[in-house]
Amino acid sequence: KAGVTQTPRYLIKTRGQQVTLSCSPISGHRSVSWYQQTPGQGLQFLFEYFSETQRNKGNFPGRFSGRQFSNSRSEMNVSTLELGDSALYLCASSLGGGSTDTQYFGPGTRLTVL
Amino acid sequence: AQSVTQLGSHVSVSEGALVLLRCNYSSSVPPYLFWYVQYPNQGLQLLLKYTTGATLVKGINGFEAEFKKSETSFHLTKPSAHMSDAAEYFCAVSLTGNQFYFGTGTSLTVIP
Repeated sequence: KAGVTQTPRYLIKTRGQQVTLSCSPISGHRSVSWYQQTPGQGLQFLFEYFSETQRNKGNFPGRFSGRQFSNSRSEMNVSTLELGDSALYLCASSLGGGSTDTQYFGPGTRLTVL
Repeated sequence: AQSVTQLGSHVSVSEGALVLLRCNYSSSVPPYLFWYVQYPNQGLQLLLKYTTGATLVKGINGFEAEFKKSETSFHLTKPSAHMSDAAEYFCAVSLTGNQFYFGTGTSLTVIP
């Protein structure tokens, strides 16, 4: 089975621009979660989608948004980019989205904001 | 609020020595506990998890962890470090709703 894929792997943007990141979960997985990873903060939870519905949301500003499609693929969007948004964005998928489900992570998208 | 504390952002051990990575959590209810490993330029990979049952959990690559409710700890150990164990390790907890809380990570260096 193919793993979680994320595109693009690397991205460079300038302040004020917007960006869309894509995540394709493992086949059959219906839950997709997004995390922001930075050296100082570690992994911080952005949001989780299950069957096209956002079920959980972390403590991030409204500039961060996401969606999930009927095939479980997910996108996240960051509008009006700030320098502090530079990070590794990780996507994780799991079967049913339960608290004991194993999350399978993609390799991440490295976003650099100049 | 739930939180995860990993003591020691950097740990160095000699090859063949014991690996001990510490994780403490704060939670008002018994959590589910996980250890993940991240190699350079890769995503996170599950090492092991505790949900219910036996408090000593064995994972991949010879790692194990013990859930100690009285100490609110879930420390990760491996009897003998190998060069390939050098990576970043993350402890995580989840409660309901598949929302995970991660520690800030511990970078493990293995000295030959």
